[in-house]
Amino acid sequence: RKEVEQDPGPFNVPEGATVAFNCTYSNSASQSFFWYRQDCRKEPKLLMSVYSSGNEDGRFTAQLNRASQYISLLIRDSKLSDSATYLCAVMEAGGFKTIFGAGTRLFVKA
Amino acid sequence: DTAVSQTPKYLVTQMGNDKSIKCEQNLGHDTMYWYKQDSKKFLKIMFSYNNKELIINETVPNRFSPKSPDKAHLNLHINSLELGDSAVYFCASSQDRGGAPYNEQFFGPGTRLTVL
Repeated sequence: RKEVEQDPGPFNVPEGATVAFNCTYSNSASQSFFWYRQDCRKEPKLLMSVYSSGNEDGRFTAQLNRASQYISLLIRDSKLSDSATYLCAVMEAGGFKTIFGAGTRLFVKA
Repeated sequence: DTAVSQTPKYLVTQMGNDKSIKCEQNLGHDTMYWYKQDSKKFLKIMFSYNNKELIINETVPNRFSPKSPDKAHLNLHINSLELGDSAVYFCASSQDRGGAPYNEQFFGPGTRLTVL
C-alpha cells in the first residue's frame, strides 16, 4: 500500500460544477495535512492546510477523518482557472518528512 | 522578491557527468528540502536539512550529495549522472516551531534535469 494515495483522475468537469477529491494515508501517526496545487510546469503551492474540525476557504472546503485516515477537498462553483493538479500532502510526526500523493488532475471546461 | 530560488532552471547533460543545483531562500526558514518529481509527476522527498544539519535522507544513492553552507542555502551535487536521474528537482523550505517544521512548504521554481 502506498503511503499516500490519490485518484489520479483526470476529472473533467464543466464550469460551475462541484468536484471532490479524496486522499488516504497509511501512517496513523501523521501529524499535519495539506492540499497543494500544481500548475503545469510550475512548482507546488499551498492551497490549504487541513484541520480536524474541517476548514473552508471561499469555494474550497477541506476535511480530515483521522479514524479512517483520509482527507478530502471539495471545490464548489468550479472556475476555468481551477484546472491544475491537486496534491495531497501528509507530514509525518517530527515534521521533517512530508509525503505527497501522486496528484489528481482537474480539467474545468467552459 | 523571490522567496525560494533555484539555479539553473534547465540542465541538459551527458551520462556520467557531474552537476550541481543551487537553492537559496530569503524567508528566514530553518528547514530546507530537496524533492524529485519524475515523469509521472510523483513528488518524492530526497533530503531534509534543519539549521544546516541533515535530518532526512530518503535512501537516495550516494551519488547525490547535498550541502548546506548556511541556513539560507541548500545545494545538490550529483555525481556520475544516469539516465534515470532525469526529472524536475524542487527545493523547498519551511518555518520551524518548537524546533520542528510546521505548516506549509514554499517551493522553488524547479530545475529540469535531462540526462542524455
